[in-house]
Amino acid sequence: AQKVTQAQTEISVVEKEDVTLDCVYETRDTTYYLFWYKQPPSGELVFLIRRNSFDEQNEISGRYSWNFQKSTSSFNFTITASQVVDSAVYFCALRGERTYKYIFGTGTRLKVLA
Amino acid sequence: KAGVTQTPRYLIKTRGQQVTLSCSPISGHRSVSWYQQTPGQGLQFLFEYFSETQRNKGNFPGRFSGRQFSNSRSEMNVSTLELGDSALYLCASSSRRPGQGAGEQYFGPGTRLTVT
Repeated sequence: AQKVTQAQTEISVVEKEDVTLDCVYETRDTTYYLFWYKQPPSGELVFLIRRNSFDEQNEISGRYSWNFQKSTSSFNFTITASQVVDSAVYFCALRGERTYKYIFGTGTRLKVLA
Repeated sequence: KAGVTQTPRYLIKTRGQQVTLSCSPISGHRSVSWYQQTPGQGLQFLFEYFSETQRNKGNFPGRFSGRQFSNSRSEMNVSTLELGDSALYLCASSSRRPGQGAGEQYFGPGTRLTVT
């Protein structure tokens, strides 16, 4: 069975603070793919990053960084120096090579206060 | 490139009716997936199509069906609507072919369906 857990339902931070969104996954597939998406108040999901199971290299893109650790089945997302425009719901998703379905976590609502 | 478009954006239907939602993927994308998003259940996978063939299906009753046309446009249909079908229905397209791994999906703005 596949599962994605985002234990943090809602996080509030003050602008310029760093924030980490947690994502823990379960899968029996040896090859799988992990994703993060952002859903701003407008409603449209926006793709942020894709990571393969065989590539544990962390990634940084501007203020965003991702920490992938197979040993703990986690794929955490950190926003550095948060801004009000980062306020959104963030989803972590998993797709196994064999199971072939995208499984989304329940999302973490991030509120960045000015 | 134009993004994924979905029509209509909003829809109000009565219990027992049926509804058809439409999705046009990004040009060149042949994979289209559908999701249902509700506050209680979150984002749930409905089905995925590639080259007019359903490749995968989620755990939804047979009242939910879909199809894909030769131009990659897709429709989903819900028959005998129930109050619980009220949701945001999202369509996503991808350039990846089956067997090429899982690509990023590009989502449309969704169709907000309200069943009364």
